[in-house]
Amino acid sequence: GQNIDQPTEMTATEGAIVQINCTYQTSGFNGLFWYQQHAGEAPTFLSYNVLDGLEEKGRFSSFLSRSKGYSYLLLKELQMKDSASYLCAALDSNYQLIWGAGTKLIIKP
Amino acid sequence: GAVVSQHPSWVICKSGTSVKIECRSLDFQATTMFWYRQFPKQSLMLMATSNEGSKATYEQGVEKDKFLINHASLTLSTLTVTSAHPEDSSFYICSARNPDRVAEAFFGQGTRLTVV
Repeated sequence: GQNIDQPTEMTATEGAIVQINCTYQTSGFNGLFWYQQHAGEAPTFLSYNVLDGLEEKGRFSSFLSRSKGYSYLLLKELQMKDSASYLCAALDSNYQLIWGAGTKLIIKP
Repeated sequence: GAVVSQHPSWVICKSGTSVKIECRSLDFQATTMFWYRQFPKQSLMLMATSNEGSKATYEQGVEKDKFLINHASLTLSTLTVTSAHPEDSSFYICSARNPDRVAEAFFGQGTRLTVV
């Protein structure tokens, strides 16, 4: 079966760095997405990785290892507004998105 | 960029009535649109995949006679919740796929449905 695993909840301090991990098992693979979702709002796109390695975009970076079925989202210089759920999703061979349950990130002052 | 507009943002309806939610792709033609439902503190659950000009493909456990999907044009898909009940209260989100950027999903703003 297809499966995405990510931690349910994480807590970090404002100004610090946090890494949210995601492992996936899918029928075929066409890329890995990270989305941010604030409570009561739709998800917003953060990153897309299809090749191994690190993609950096401002304070956010995303890493992919296809051989390990593993990705992480790295958030630097955390701000209070970063408090949200972070959804990992893998694109399978049919270009269907397989969603993780999301990681709720709590930022403390 | 690609923009997907969903309307209404929120709706309250009486039990037994029907509610229509619209999803529009504003600057691209979406051959495929997806409808999701999200209950509080849970992840997105795919309800159905809507392809322009053909019948929608529903996920297991989703009643196609209750959740009517119409994708009559390349820029509009609608979801109608028929004979709504309180347990249908949820956050409904549409997503559209741009054929030129097939690997990326663009989301509408979501519709908060409350059935009283």
